[in-house]
Amino acid sequence: DVKVTQSSRYLVKRTGEKVFLECVQDMDHENMFWYRQDPGLGLRLIYFSYDVKMKEKGDIPEGYSVSREKKERFSLILESASTNQTSMYLCASSLRTPYEQYFGPGTRLTVT
Amino acid sequence: QKEVEQNSGPLSVPEGAIASLNCTYSDRGSQSFFWYRQYSGKSPELIMFIYSNGDKEDGRFTAQLNKASQYVSLLIRDSQPSDSATYLCAVRGSQGNLIFGKGTKLSVKP
Repeated sequence: DVKVTQSSRYLVKRTGEKVFLECVQDMDHENMFWYRQDPGLGLRLIYFSYDVKMKEKGDIPEGYSVSREKKERFSLILESASTNQTSMYLCASSLRTPYEQYFGPGTRLTVT
Repeated sequence: QKEVEQNSGPLSVPEGAIASLNCTYSDRGSQSFFWYRQYSGKSPELIMFIYSNGDKEDGRFTAQLNKASQYVSLLIRDSQPSDSATYLCAVRGSQGNLIFGKGTKLSVKP
């Protein structure tokens, strides 16, 4: 079974804080993805990575950065959290393109 | 901008009936299609994927793909209250990412 884990289920941060969201997969998948999900807007891709130290911008990268130093780990960084970044953040991984993606449990981030 | 369109619902069906969920996509070159189920407060869970025209069956679920019409559907036979969830259609984009529809909320009434 594919397992994707995320560091926190719920997180509350203050405006201006630097926030790290961690994602780990245990199936040696090459591709990893970060999405955010908001009511009425659906799932939107923030960043993705095809390999270690590689990253590609998704549809809404502004205000975010990522790091992939090891194959199994993909981190999302909010450099200076803002209230409009309050959302559900979902990490996913896939073996290769075009294969299916598997999601982690999500982190519900609230920025106050 | 490549798009995936779904009726937001809610779609309400009685227990035991067939639920039919539909999805259209704009990129004629799309090759891979996925259905995810998402319960309230949970993350999306892969149900099925389909790459070729026609039908693909897995238990009570059947995915149908018509590339000429740019249409993919999911049929759920013998619907159960536990099938009540939001169903997300996704299409693989040119960079290998998935482009998701906004989902159809299904309610199965006992």
